[in-house]
Amino acid sequence: GAVVSQHPSWVICKSGTSVKIECRSLDFQATTMFWYRQFPKQSLMLMATSNEGSKATYEQGVEKDKFLINHASLTLSTLTVTSAHPEDSSFYICSAGPGAYEQYFGPGTRLTVT
Amino acid sequence: QKEVEQNSGPLSVPEGAIASLNCTYSDRGSQSFFWYRQYSGKSPELIMFIYSNGDKEDGRFTAQLNKASQYVSLLIRDSQPSDSATYLCAVDSGAGSYQLTFGKGTKLSVIP
Repeated sequence: GAVVSQHPSWVICKSGTSVKIECRSLDFQATTMFWYRQFPKQSLMLMATSNEGSKATYEQGVEKDKFLINHASLTLSTLTVTSAHPEDSSFYICSAGPGAYEQYFGPGTRLTVT
Repeated sequence: QKEVEQNSGPLSVPEGAIASLNCTYSDRGSQSFFWYRQYSGKSPELIMFIYSNGDKEDGRFTAQLNKASQYVSLLIRDSQPSDSATYLCAVDSGAGSYQLTFGKGTKLSVIP
């Protein structure tokens, strides 16, 4: 299957700081990537759809000014959590796919805000 | 609103048995159906996808799709303890969208 990477795999930051998470498609190009968040023992929650060369589409209830998404190339999307707070601590996962519907997940980034 | 329903489990099966995981979906326009496996603390891993009615086999896994009944299932033959994980059913949003709608997942435990 296709390979999607994420960096960093885990990060600890202080409340009020910003954190950038990278998602890369390693062996294919992706015009669309997705960002999810997952709290412990809960299901995946789609946060936003990242579109190469255009603005991201955010799901209802997700603050676009807090979760900044930039899809600058066909292989890279970034999610920046601005002014992070402890309630933003979660497992952030991106997905992308080489085809119309197949989506492969990155390994995830575990964010802890202290 | 598109919905994907799964029994949350846990589903416990003895080692070597067949595990049967079920999923129903609400959108008749959906065309593509996926099964992901997620180990605790890890991201989901795509294990099967199916587009056409009927069965699709890949090793010990068989996906079954019945669009008329809006039902998709995953059978795991000769279940192994390493199959113990949460299995997520996902359905496309149709209309050319790449977006998937996920069920909440079924937790499977294979007992040695």
